[in-house]
Amino acid sequence: DGGITQSPKYLFRKEGQNVTLSCEQNLNHDAMYWYRQDPGQGLRLIYYSQIVNDFQKGDIAEGYSVSREKKESFPLTVTSAQKNPTAFYLCASTPSAQGRGQPQHFGDGTRLSIL
Amino acid sequence: AQSVTQPDIHITVSEGASLELRCNYSYGATPYLFWYVQSPGQGLQLLLKYFSGDTLVQGIKGFEAEFKRSQSSFNLRKPSVHWSDAAEYFCAVGDTGGFKTIFGAGTRLFVKA
Repeated sequence: DGGITQSPKYLFRKEGQNVTLSCEQNLNHDAMYWYRQDPGQGLRLIYYSQIVNDFQKGDIAEGYSVSREKKESFPLTVTSAQKNPTAFYLCASTPSAQGRGQPQHFGDGTRLSIL
Repeated sequence: AQSVTQPDIHITVSEGASLELRCNYSYGATPYLFWYVQSPGQGLQLLLKYFSGDTLVQGIKGFEAEFKRSQSSFNLRKPSVHWSDAAEYFCAVGDTGGFKTIFGAGTRLFVKA
């Protein structure tokens, strides 16, 4: 079955360390998204990519970086500049970047914690 | 700017009772509206969506939602709740830009026996 795979499920970061969260999809979707979820705040958009080799900042991009070298992969790096990285991170995709009526397909998330 | 408000942070209902989760949106034109459900430690799953046409939308797992333009609402309903419905529910609206989705803060549903 097609879907989105996020790994690892749990991740721990030491102070001053960069960590990378993996997101892979086999849905052949053009657009991919990264969200941060904190209790009581819903989902906040970090970065999104409409096409390979292109990505845009979302609402809370500071302290994060992404790449989109392949259609199926959209890794997120949480840098040491992100001072409060403890959260649940969700990756999502849509078939294309056009059309606001497209529902998003989600992975099962990565929970990042600070050691 | 578009926004979504879910007034209830959490709701508790008895198993077998009816359920209504509230959602209000702010949007200038005809909105594209969604309801998602999230079980603990998992991603979001689409329950239903509204684009146009019939204002009563049927979804999966016995859920339905009604779009009321005059009230800027898109409330989610289920006639009889099961213990397995305990989860967090998110209302969302498609952004005018075409490729973003604005999510509400979520409502956590507790089901008591």
